[in-house]
Amino acid sequence: KQEVTQIPAALSVPEGENLVLNCSFTDSAIYNLQWFRQDPGKGLTSLLLIQSSQREQTSGRLNASLDKSSGRSTLYIAASQPGDSATYLCAVKETSGSRLTFGEGTQLTVNP
Amino acid sequence: DTEVTQTPKHLVMGMTNKKSLKCEQHMGHRAMYWYKQKAKKPPELMFVYSYEKLSINESVPSRFSPECPNSSLLNLHLHALQPEDSALYLCASSPAGQRQFFGPGTRLTVL
Repeated sequence: KQEVTQIPAALSVPEGENLVLNCSFTDSAIYNLQWFRQDPGKGLTSLLLIQSSQREQTSGRLNASLDKSSGRSTLYIAASQPGDSATYLCAVKETSGSRLTFGEGTQLTVNP
Repeated sequence: DTEVTQTPKHLVMGMTNKKSLKCEQHMGHRAMYWYKQKAKKPPELMFVYSYEKLSINESVPSRFSPECPNSSLLNLHLHALQPEDSALYLCASSPAGQRQFFGPGTRLTVL
């Protein structure tokens, strides 16, 4: 059974810092990996999707990498801003079926 | 139209009530999903519809009944719920096998 772990569970940084969120998964037979952002009480916003054949994806200040063989993905946020404060979730889609397996999330606080 | 909409935003119901949650998307996505999310936990998959047919039911109690009347609409019918069913209910859609787009959710409280 696929298990997804996110470290750290919570992170507090001053504005302007570059930071890295980590995601690991136990079964490397994934179809793709998706990073989401969730604000309190709101739905999930898809940030980046990396297909299993890709190594990284970039969108603005966000860069996500995937090392499928070691079961790891990182989300890099450059020049963090208070508006980046949210919970960040990674989720893997397995090769078979449509199921997403989510990590527990990293709660990020960026202080002005 | 590039969003998933959900109604209502908030719902309070008693344990004997019958209510429905509605989800709509006009992106032509053929897969639609219901998730349940408790506070400070990741979403848990409940149901998946693929091409308007139920393809995954994650052993959800029968008091939750999904329905997909057409390719744009997904309903979740609720009956005889328990207080522990109180949660944020999220709908999502995706093109086959690709990125999932989530709606804003319905905050459900069962008294």
